[in-house]
Amino acid sequence: DTAVSQTPKYLVTQMGNDKSIKCEQNLGHDTMYWYKQDSKKFLKIMFSYNNKELIINETVPNRFSPKSPDKAHLNLHINSLELGDSAVYFCASSQDLWTFSNEQYFGPGTRLTVT
Amino acid sequence: GQNIDQPTEMTATEGAIVQINCTYQTSGFNGLFWYQQHAGEAPTFLSYNVLDGLEEKGRFSSFLSRSKGYSYLLLKELQMKDSASYLCAVRVSNSGNTPLVFGKGTRLSVIA
Repeated sequence: DTAVSQTPKYLVTQMGNDKSIKCEQNLGHDTMYWYKQDSKKFLKIMFSYNNKELIINETVPNRFSPKSPDKAHLNLHINSLELGDSAVYFCASSQDLWTFSNEQYFGPGTRLTVT
Repeated sequence: GQNIDQPTEMTATEGAIVQINCTYQTSGFNGLFWYQQHAGEAPTFLSYNVLDGLEEKGRFSSFLSRSKGYSYLLLKELQMKDSASYLCAVRVSNSGNTPLVFGKGTRLSVIA
C-alpha cells in the first residue's frame, strides 16, 4: 500500500500554462506539506497544512496555490508557469504539526519541466 | 536566517566507515533529522536527535551537540546500496511555526 502518492510523476508543459499536481496520503496523518527540490537537489518547504488549514506559506509566488479538500489530500495548482518552476515537487505528511520528533513521509515526487 | 552546512560530496570504500558532518545556525532548535535520498527517489527518514549524544540504529548512528550546532551521521560497514544523498534537516522556530529546514545534502558514493 502506497503511503503518500502523487500524480502525475512527470509533467512537461510550456511556459504560461496552468497545471495541477495531486497528493494523497493513507496514513491518517493530520499534516501535509509541499516541498520543491531544485536542480541542485536543495529541498525547500513551500506550504504546510494541518487538518485542511494553511499553516506555513513560505516565500512562494502567489502563482502557486495549494488546496486541501480534506486532510488526506493536498493539491498544488500552478498558474502561468515559468522556466524557473522546473523542479521536482514532493508532497509529504506527518502525524501532526506539533510533535517535533515526528518524521515526515515523502511521496515519490513530481518532476515538472517547463519549456 | 537559517544556515545548514554539509559537504557536497564524499566517497568511501565498501566495508568502511564514513562520517557525514552537518553544522547549523538556526532560529530556534526543535531537533535534527537525517534523511536518505537515492537518486530519483523520495527522501526517507533515518534518525532524529534532540538531546546531545549518540543515537545508534543498526549500521547507522547519529550524533548531536547542541552547544556546538553540530551533528554527524556515521555509517558503518558500508554497502554499495548506501550510495545516496544524505540530508541534514533542522526543525526550526519561525513566527510561531516549526518548519523543517534542509541542508543541501551530501552525495555519498560507495566504491568497491
